[in-house]
Order: sequence, then C-alpha cells, then structure tokens
Amino acid sequence: EAGVAQSPRYKIIEKRQSVAFWCNPISGHATLYWYQQILGQGPKLLIQFQNNGVVDDSQLPKDRFSAERLKGVDSTLKIQPAKLEDSAVYLCASTLGQGLNSPLHFGNGTRLTVT
Amino acid sequence: AQSVTQLDSQVPVFEEAPVELRCNYSSSVSVYLFWYVQYPNQGLQLLLKYLSGSTLVKGINGFEAEFNKSQTSFHLRKPSVHISDTAEYFCAVSEVGGTSYGKLTFGQGTILTVHP
Repeated sequence: EAGVAQSPRYKIIEKRQSVAFWCNPISGHATLYWYQQILGQGPKLLIQFQNNGVVDDSQLPKDRFSAERLKGVDSTLKIQPAKLEDSAVYLCASTLGQGLNSPLHFGNGTRLTVT
Repeated sequence: AQSVTQLDSQVPVFEEAPVELRCNYSSSVSVYLFWYVQYPNQGLQLLLKYLSGSTLVKGINGFEAEFNKSQTSFHLRKPSVHISDTAEYFCAVSEVGGTSYGKLTFGQGTILTVHP
C-alpha cells in the first residue's frame, strides 16, 4: 500500500509570511494527525482528525495555525503569519481506526525553515 | 498528563556491541508504551509496543524492550548492533482508554551512532 504522502518536502519562508502543508493519508484511514518536530525534540501533537471532524486541537496555536480535512481524506495545515520558532518538521500520520490494532503510519514530513 | 524522558541524547557504540537506550515515563493513568525509529529525512517507524501481557516485548530488527512498572521505565535493548541501526530513537506513550492510542507523547529522542 502507498504510504502517507506529504508535500512539499522542504519550505523556506521569511517571518510573517504564510505557508501551507499538504497531507494525503493512506487510503481508508479515518484518523489523521499533525505533529510538529522541532530540532532536538520529539514530535508534539498539534491536531487530530477523525474523518473530517476535529477530535483534539488543544495544542494547536490557533492564533496562527489552522488545519482542515475536507471530505475526510486530504488535510492541509496552514501557518499565518509564521514566526522564527515555527521552524520545524511537520509530520502527518494516519491510522485506520483508533483501536489497538491500528498502527500509526507517518509521512516523511515537511521541513520548514523560517528566516 | 504524561511525560517521557529519554536519559541519553546521544549514544555512540561500536558495531556488534550491545546497546541500551533508556526511557522513563510519568503518568497519572495507565499508558501504552512505544519505541519508534527515525532514519535521516524519513518519517517515524514503529519498532515495538507494549500494550499488555508479557513485560518483555520483541520488535523488528532484533530490538526488544522491557516494561518495568515499578520503575516507570521502558528501556530499549539490542544485543548486537549494526551500522544500519544508526538513527534517532524515540520513546512514546499514549493513555489507556484515551480518545486514541495514536495520540502520542514523545520523548526528546536518542541519537544512536554505530561506529565500525
């Protein structure tokens, strides 16, 4: 099966600009996650979708970050305006369901550099 | 809320030597435990997981981990490492009975470097 697809792989922007990342989960996977991985740290969950609904966005900085999952398939994560501290790898992951037998599949990530 | 501490940020070892990567966690509820590996410029791959049952868990690529509830630890071990094991390793937990066991709290990562 094809894996979780993310684009772009790399993005460099200046602070105060906006940026968007795209994720296509594995076909049929109902649950989708966005994680932020700052250099030297472990990934941190930003938002969780179940189909096209948000399950948990408690750690999403909503003043500048937004995410959507229209039609319950692809998802986009947007930052507007970007700050220097947003430089990180943004990882998308998906699972078939929420149970113990649904392993988490990660994409290769989008590396964002804010200058 | 849970937290995960990986006690070593970097672990250098020689090829064919044994290795242990240490992980401690803190949680007010029961947790599931995971180890993930991340190769350069790639996403995370699941190495192994502890959900219940035997406290010694075997994973892919010859890795194993032991859950120690009294010490709240989940250390990762391999008896003989290869050059190809060079990567960053992450310990993670998720809450039992939470909204999703894919909702993970990660440690800071341990970079394992295997030298010839």
